[in-house]
Amino acid sequence: DIQMTQSPSSLSASVGDRVTITCRASQSIGKYLNWYQHKPGKAPKVLISGATRLQGGVPSRFSGGGSETDFTLTISTLQPEDFATYFCQQSYSIPWTLGQGTKVEIK
Amino acid sequence: QVQLQESGPGLVRPSETLSLTCSVSGGSITNNYWNWFRQTPGKGLEWIGHIYNSGSTNYNPSLNSRLSMSVDTSKNDFSLRLSSVTAADTAVYYCARSIVTSDNFVMDVWGQGTTVSVSS
Repeated sequence: DIQMTQSPSSLSASVGDRVTITCRASQSIGKYLNWYQHKPGKAPKVLISGATRLQGGVPSRFSGGGSETDFTLTISTLQPEDFATYFCQQSYSIPWTLGQGTKVEIK
Repeated sequence: QVQLQESGPGLVRPSETLSLTCSVSGGSITNNYWNWFRQTPGKGLEWIGHIYNSGSTNYNPSLNSRLSMSVDTSKNDFSLRLSSVTAADTAVYYCARSIVTSDNFVMDVWGQGTTVSVSS
């Protein structure tokens, strides 16, 4: 199985901060990498697909980068509604595997 | 838009079979892949497996021997059965739809999750 390692596991930030989350794959996965946002009690929401493609309706302050083994999710200017857990998912090979999540908390 | 809702017992006895159903509303269950995930306490999400509306499946090898998925196109829902459960199967279970773009499977619609506890 491909292991997906996210860092950090949690972070504290203020509204207006720039936040970057990283996801590393244990082997090359090209651009088969998706990012999701998850708030407690809610359904997860896809933000980025194919490493860099912003999904419809997702604010442009979210961006994705990287390829092969190293990927990033950046929130350029953190907003109050962005406090949530973010996780990555590879769809290069079955079984799909996901990062353990990064919890973004209010400082 | 498409919405998903998980349903099933919140408590299952050890060694018994966990059964969950995901109801699809706002769209057809045909021509898509339908997934199950779970999140155990303190851990990240784990992909359980997926089924296409034709009935073809892919399962996580870690659960393969205990797992069964099915689709009911007449009811527009799909189901998960996990046999011989133990406390390690206690988790929040999510269903999700995946769409495929350029061979990339993206989970574009998720349910809110249902908590299942395994306990005697």
